[in-house]
Amino acid sequence: EDQVTQSPEALRLQEGESSSLNCSYTVSGLRGLFWYRQDPGKGPEFLFTLYSAGEEKEKERLKATLTKKESFLHITAPKPEDSATYLCASGATSGSRLTFGEGTQLTVNP
Amino acid sequence: NAGVTQTPKFQVLKTGQSMTLQCAQDMNHEYMSWYRQDPGMGLRLIHYSVGAGITDQGEVPNGYNVSRSTTEDFPLRLLSAAPSQTSVYFCASSPRGSTEAYTFGSGTRLTVV
Repeated sequence: EDQVTQSPEALRLQEGESSSLNCSYTVSGLRGLFWYRQDPGKGPEFLFTLYSAGEEKEKERLKATLTKKESFLHITAPKPEDSATYLCASGATSGSRLTFGEGTQLTVNP
Repeated sequence: NAGVTQTPKFQVLKTGQSMTLQCAQDMNHEYMSWYRQDPGMGLRLIHYSVGAGITDQGEVPNGYNVSRSTTEDFPLRLLSAAPSQTSVYFCASSPRGSTEAYTFGSGTRLTVV
């Protein structure tokens, strides 16, 4: 059974204080590892897809990386507007279904 | 381009009532899914469809029904609402056979009393 575990559950940072969010996954044949951002009262918004170990993708202050067992979302010099819940999901080669982790709630204080 | 549209945004039901949550997408995506999101449990797959006329069960299908008569629409039916179905429901779509991520709707917050 595919599993995705995210840590920590919640993270509070000061503005400018860099950190990383972790996503551990167990999947039979990884099709893609997806990162989403979710703001309160809204649907998840797509950020990145990573397909193979060693791959990295960047967008503004966010950088996602992938190993054979984990993915990290690095946040460099965060701003209060980066506060949101960040979701990780894995997709298997056997189909189109995504398995989601429980998310990390990030709060960035000014 | 509206993306994925869900209606209603909020709904309160009494136990035993039935209702349909609507989902429509205008991106010509083949794949569509319904998820529910509960505190501490993440997003869980209810039902999904890989094309018109084809549906399958996800992780938590009991108490829900779906049909896919067109590419655009994927309604979710609650047959007899129970308090355990109080949740936020998200519809999502993705291009067929693609490794691209799903696009999500803005959600329906359902309360069953």
